[in-house]
Amino acid sequence: KAGVTQTPRYLIKTRGQQVTLSCSPISGHRSVSWYQQTPGQGLQFLFEYFSETQRNKGNFPGRFSGRQFSNSRSEMNVSTLELGDSALYLCASSLVPGGDFGNTIYFGEGSWLTVV
Amino acid sequence: GENVEQHPSTLSVQEGDSAVIKCTYSDSASNYFPWYKQELGKRPQLIIDIRSNVGEKKDQRIAVTLNKTAKHFSLHITETQPEDSAVYFCAPVGGSYIPTFGRGTSLIVHP
Repeated sequence: KAGVTQTPRYLIKTRGQQVTLSCSPISGHRSVSWYQQTPGQGLQFLFEYFSETQRNKGNFPGRFSGRQFSNSRSEMNVSTLELGDSALYLCASSLVPGGDFGNTIYFGEGSWLTVV
Repeated sequence: GENVEQHPSTLSVQEGDSAVIKCTYSDSASNYFPWYKQELGKRPQLIIDIRSNVGEKKDQRIAVTLNKTAKHFSLHITETQPEDSAVYFCAPVGGSYIPTFGRGTSLIVHP
């Protein structure tokens, strides 16, 4: 069974540009969540989607947005990029929303974003 | 929201020693306590988890213990090996049902 797939793996953008990252969950998983990982900050929750609906949102500005399609694939978008947006963006999928015993969260390899 | 603190931030041990990482959380509604391992350049992966109705769980060389009264849970690794070198994250799940990740503990196992 294929794991969580994220594209692109690496990208470099200029301040002020926008970027779209894509995530394909494990087959059968309907919940997709996104995290930002920076050195020393751990993983910061961005948002969670289930059945094309955003269920939860973390404490990030409105420049960060996302969506989920009917096939459970998800995209996240960051507009007006800032230097501080440079990070590893991780997508995770699970059968249903929420972390819990028996509902293991599986991560993708991540998309490395560098803003210059 | 949940406040999570993880200690130590760095842990250096000799091969064969034991390692203990502690995670403190604030949300009394937390009922699921997982630990993730992230090797350098790789994705985080669940290595062990426990629910609030269980005090301890063991899986070969790793174990997790939970103290709900004191709101902390710990990861124990015995007979450490070089391949245990990684960053470990706790991620308790509280009333929001969203995992809140600690800042991570970098474990270095010296051969």
